[in-house]
Amino acid sequence: AQKVTQAQTEISVVEKEDVTLDCVYETRDTTYYLFWYKQPPSGELVFLIRRNSFDEQNEISGRYSWNFQKSTSSFNFTITASQVVDSAVYFCALSEERGFNKFYFGSGTKLNVKP
Amino acid sequence: GAGVSQSPSNKVTEKGKDVELRCDPISGHTALYWYRQSLGQGLEFLIYFQGNSAPDKSGLPSDRFSAERTGGSVSTLTIQRTQQEDSAVYLCASSFEGRNTEAFFGQGTRLTVV
Repeated sequence: AQKVTQAQTEISVVEKEDVTLDCVYETRDTTYYLFWYKQPPSGELVFLIRRNSFDEQNEISGRYSWNFQKSTSSFNFTITASQVVDSAVYFCALSEERGFNKFYFGSGTKLNVKP
Repeated sequence: GAGVSQSPSNKVTEKGKDVELRCDPISGHTALYWYRQSLGQGLEFLIYFQGNSAPDKSGLPSDRFSAERTGGSVSTLTIQRTQQEDSAVYLCASSFEGRNTEAFFGQGTRLTVV
């Protein structure tokens, strides 16, 4: 079974629009960690955020915000006022307590921000 | 530089040849991972090294794939008798020990088997 599901394969928005990237995860562990990575056209994955399962507070960093809801096993990522430079593939990932740092990645969501 | 370094950045090889991909992790990182990303796809876990523990090889797709990590630092991923389906970007990442630490990725090696 897929541990991390990113149902949106590709999203296109116009600059300045807000966009939310969905991530749904599956785990039986009570302790786990969730991550978001950005992969720009250059190819290198860039770490964006890490959350542990005991901290459900939403986080905001500039135009980025994350909504972690254990009740729905979701960890969604919102970009406010999107910019062309936000165009990239975004990956959600899960690391389990028992998994010793093995990251399970979703299939990624390609975001196209048009000027 | 201070990041994860992979070499070569691009490799074109003939079907049936062996290839070696190299990864230099961030200094001090005890954990090292190899992932594979096929065109337009997500990341497929291959192998994980953590300190002196036995590596987790559960993701290696066949016995043609092997990896080693010498001296707890540099790692080499070897693919023997390459096949066209091995064509992909091979990504290496490293992190500090512990399950609450993020992994830092290299720029990848793009392997093309012709």
